[in-house]
Amino acid sequence: TQLLEQSPQFLSIQEGENLTVYCNSSSVFSSLQWYRQEPGEGPVLLVTVVTGGEVKKLKRLTFQFGDARKDSSLHITAAQPGDTGLYLCAGRGYQKVTFGTGTKLQVIP
Amino acid sequence: GAGVSQSPRYKVAKRGQDVALRCDPISGHVSLFWYQQALGQGPEFLTYFQNEAQLDKSGLPSDRFFAERPEGSVSTLKIQRTQQEDSAVYLCASSLGKLQYQETQYFGPGTRLLVL
Repeated sequence: TQLLEQSPQFLSIQEGENLTVYCNSSSVFSSLQWYRQEPGEGPVLLVTVVTGGEVKKLKRLTFQFGDARKDSSLHITAAQPGDTGLYLCAGRGYQKVTFGTGTKLQVIP
Repeated sequence: GAGVSQSPRYKVAKRGQDVALRCDPISGHVSLFWYQQALGQGPEFLTYFQNEAQLDKSGLPSDRFFAERPEGSVSTLKIQRTQQEDSAVYLCASSLGKLQYQETQYFGPGTRLLVL
């Protein structure tokens, strides 16, 4: 069974702080996706990273795929209350999607 | 419709009751997934359809769970003889193609099932 462990599980920070969320696995994935989910809604895709070592930026969010394509990180600069939500990584293989354990982020104004 | 829709949004069932959860994917999407999500956790894969064919049902927890997509569009997840441990949010997602590894999955809002 492929497992994706996320850390930390919970994070409560003040507005304006920086944070990093980690997604780790012992398995290699073809790609790694990050989603954000708000209460009562389904996850929404933020980014897909494909190449080992790849870095993608989406405004204040920076995503990195590990060189061995087994791990990934999400860094948020100057967090805003609108960043609050459940962050999920998802590893993609052939006809298979494995979601991580989730990181619940709360940004306090 | 513009997105994936699911119905009902909330379902309360008595233990032992059968339930049916409906998913309307984005029109023309080939791939359809069902996931089970516990509170604050990541979704766990249940089953995958490519058009009407159920290609992977390895995540279904028991033989009480059954899914179908007879015409390759709308899908129904049925749970027979519900148990309290079945309480969760059931998410449906669709994607345009045949699960290429860069494809975007579009999720519905989920059905929250509570078994008393």
